[in-house]
Amino acid sequence: GAVVSQHPSRVICKSGTSVKIECRSLDFQATTMFWYRQFPKQSLMLMATSNEGSKATYEQGVEKDKFLINHASLTLSTLTVTSAHPEDSSFYICSARGAGRLYEQYFGPGTRLTVT
Amino acid sequence: DQQVKQNSPSLSVQEGRISILNCDYTNSMFDYFLWYKKYPAEGPTFLISISSIKDKNEDGRFTVFLNKSAKHLSLHIVPSQPGDSAVYFCAASPQTGANNLFFGTGTRLTVIP
Repeated sequence: GAVVSQHPSRVICKSGTSVKIECRSLDFQATTMFWYRQFPKQSLMLMATSNEGSKATYEQGVEKDKFLINHASLTLSTLTVTSAHPEDSSFYICSARGAGRLYEQYFGPGTRLTVT
Repeated sequence: DQQVKQNSPSLSVQEGRISILNCDYTNSMFDYFLWYKKYPAEGPTFLISISSIKDKNEDGRFTVFLNKSAKHLSLHIVPSQPGDSAVYFCAASPQTGANNLFFGTGTRLTVIP
């Protein structure tokens, strides 16, 4: 149980275009989903937290107009990187947490974004 | 400011021996701690967790120890297996309300056959 999928696993896009990444909880209802970003040889940095049906809460320094997060259902959250630039190239990972599970997050496999 | 620190970026251990991965934290508001295992180009996989009301939690070959006074936790893997080779992240969560996870920088464990 507690499987989280992400799609796509890898995407290459041109500078100035937008890219959407999907995160799905496959066998549980995710009341809260988190989006992380990982730079090479660094830790996972939380970008934003989203609760189903409400606006995402962004961490300090994360541009909410650039990284659009939608958590429309209990099993799906999307991250859209708008007007992507090469510095947005990174490994993006989502995680999901079910109701009543205060701490444990289950992670998706991640999406490697490369902006050329 | 890195609130969760893993000072050893890498660790090599012979198969069958014990692997000890260490983690330190600075925020006394953290009250729940987790260890995740991560393979390259994959998301982290939950391994084991411990609440601040305990000092030890065991699950098979994995044991996590918590020393609150020292703000230190460790993950013991015994016996170590080649399949354990991965990057291990410790994570901490503050008391109820925030529920965000703060991750350490990871330790790459290599188990040598």
